Amino acid sequence: KAGVTQTPRYLIKTRGQQVTLSCSPISGHRSVSWYQQTPGQGLQFLFEYFSETQRNKGNFPGRFSGRQFSNSRSEMNVSTLELGDSALYLCASTRTGPAGGYTFGSGTRLTVV
Amino acid sequence: KNEVEQSPQNLTAQEGEFITINCSYSVGISALHWLQQHPGGGIVSLFMLSSGKKKHGRLIATINIQEKHSSLHITASHPRDSAVYICAVSRMEYGNKLVFGAGTILRVKS
Repeated sequence: KAGVTQTPRYLIKTRGQQVTLSCSPISGHRSVSWYQQTPGQGLQFLFEYFSETQRNKGNFPGRFSGRQFSNSRSEMNVSTLELGDSALYLCASTRTGPAGGYTFGSGTRLTVV
Repeated sequence: KNEVEQSPQNLTAQEGEFITINCSYSVGISALHWLQQHPGGGIVSLFMLSSGKKKHGRLIATINIQEKHSSLHITASHPRDSAVYICAVSRMEYGNKLVFGAGTILRVKS
């Protein structure tokens, strides 16, 4: 079966711009969670969507937002980009509850210049 | 104090050695996850544990719920095991949010 697909793989943006990243979960998985990975902070939770509803949100500014569509595909948006937003953004999908297995996408590497 | 602590931060081993990576957590959890990340970024889920022990090939993961501690063991290590190993926990009240340890950078030399 197809894995979790994230697009694009690489992205270079300028400070002040906005960016939209996409995540297509494994078929049948209704939960998509997003994470930011930086060398300084490691992996941090951004938000989780389940059946088109945001269930949980991490400690990030309002410039970070997301949504989920009826087919479970999810997008995250970052507005007014800052240099510190440069990171690897990963999404993971899971079918069941918190004790279910997670499948990660390959990530989108965002560079803000 | 972080909810999830891993040790060691860095580990260098000779090919064939037995390797142990430790993870301690401070809260009640639904499950503990061991993840592997190779250069380039992709993360692979190795194990999900809520009790006991699991084995897959040369990898063994154990968890002690009472002591809030888990270990990942690699037997007969090989250079292809070189990667970052990350411990993460999930909790029922967090939904599907994962909380991560800082990771252990493993290098296996031939």
